[in-house]
Amino acid sequence: ETGVTQTPRHLVMGMTNKKSLKCEQHLGHNAMYWYKQSAKKPLELMFVYSLEERVENNSVPSRFSPECPNSSHLFLHLHTLQPEDSALYLCASSQGLAKETQYFGPGTRLLVL
Amino acid sequence: EDKVVQSPLSLVVHEGDTVTLNCSYEVTNFRSLLWYKQEKKAPTFLFMLTSSGIEKKSGRLSSILDKKELFSILNITATQTGDSAIYLCAVVRPGGSEKLVFGKGTKLTVNP
Repeated sequence: ETGVTQTPRHLVMGMTNKKSLKCEQHLGHNAMYWYKQSAKKPLELMFVYSLEERVENNSVPSRFSPECPNSSHLFLHLHTLQPEDSALYLCASSQGLAKETQYFGPGTRLLVL
Repeated sequence: EDKVVQSPLSLVVHEGDTVTLNCSYEVTNFRSLLWYKQEKKAPTFLFMLTSSGIEKKSGRLSSILDKKELFSILNITATQTGDSAIYLCAVVRPGGSEKLVFGKGTKLTVNP
């Protein structure tokens, strides 16, 4: 149990669907992250939230829309995705922005048809 | 461009073997290097290295950093099937918006 949970664990969606990924951390951290892990590629940082404010957005297409309503919850809203967006989406949290102290969730395996 | 290169990309060994995983990096600034183990899905933290030549050890795993030659190695001795995983290396760059650059990982398979 890592203290960071993600739902759903698996998701299959069509290109016209709208869905949301949810992340919850139970560690009392104040920073949260979304990463994308594609096959045979390095983990890519997508978004960083600190104290519920977005502090980093790494050139992610607008079809991915993050939301951080409080320091324990992070969402990734998905709409009109492309097949190449199929990947493992990992959430992480840390105390402060020290990335050395990140704890990862189990991820959501997304397949876009 | 910042780069973290891990080798080999995959490795198959038998239980009891010793393995060495490599991570080399090129970054404009360096603060620390991290090793993670990724089984199934969630990467779990193994080591953080900030100083050259100081070995970090945890059971059968150990790691060391060479900041002059810009690489790190992760050693696993007396491997077990439970060591089968993807091992990720990442470098932390400091800054106002600090960056974590990951390598592609090494997939280790330990056969009984």
